[in-house]
Amino acid sequence: DQQVKQNSPSLSVQEGRISILNCDYTNSMFDYFLWYKKYPAEGPTFLISISSIKDKNEDGRFTVFLNKSAKHLSLHIVPSQPGDSAVYFCAASNRGSTLGRLYFGRGTQLTVWP
Amino acid sequence: DAGVTQSPTHLIKTRGQHVTLRCSPISGHKSVSWYQQVLGQGPQFIFQYYEKEERGRGNFPDRFSARQFPNYSSELNVNALLLGDSALYLCASSFSTSGGTDTQYFGPGTRLTVL
Repeated sequence: DQQVKQNSPSLSVQEGRISILNCDYTNSMFDYFLWYKKYPAEGPTFLISISSIKDKNEDGRFTVFLNKSAKHLSLHIVPSQPGDSAVYFCAASNRGSTLGRLYFGRGTQLTVWP
Repeated sequence: DAGVTQSPTHLIKTRGQHVTLRCSPISGHKSVSWYQQVLGQGPQFIFQYYEKEERGRGNFPDRFSARQFPNYSSELNVNALLLGDSALYLCASSFSTSGGTDTQYFGPGTRLTVL
């Protein structure tokens, strides 16, 4: 069962513009959400996270928005740069569980072109 | 500071063989998790260990086993390899399994090919 869904397998954006990556989840017990970036032949790199007590978290060019009622989160990258081209994974967990298991979406391939 | 390290980087095995993958967590991290990523999918949870005890297991057969050592490094073992076990195996470390800092930091992975 896919509890975290990224419905867009790919996204193409021009350099300097905003990239918006979307993620939906079904499990209402999830209360911690993370975005990872992955380059080919490398492991996922942690990008930014958000707790369910917040609706926005910002770190430089990256902002994550959380809409708990819609069970939806999004990652905004402004401005987009060619080096941002990678696969972006959304992940979720239940911090109340003694098991720190992450549930991942299938990923979105972001391509930023000059 | 060194990140999560994994060995080997690549591995080729034949069906029926056994494989051992190794992981060293970030210094100070006591929890290690293992994930399997097949092409076109997100990482799937296999195991989590904390303080040398198994905390949880994903939906994987008993051919998969793991352990954590006193220095918090970990091994993932897979017996009787199948073609479908071909994947990128990722190790992640975190300070704890719940509360506090829960962010998991991933190693570069071991690419396993089963022929």
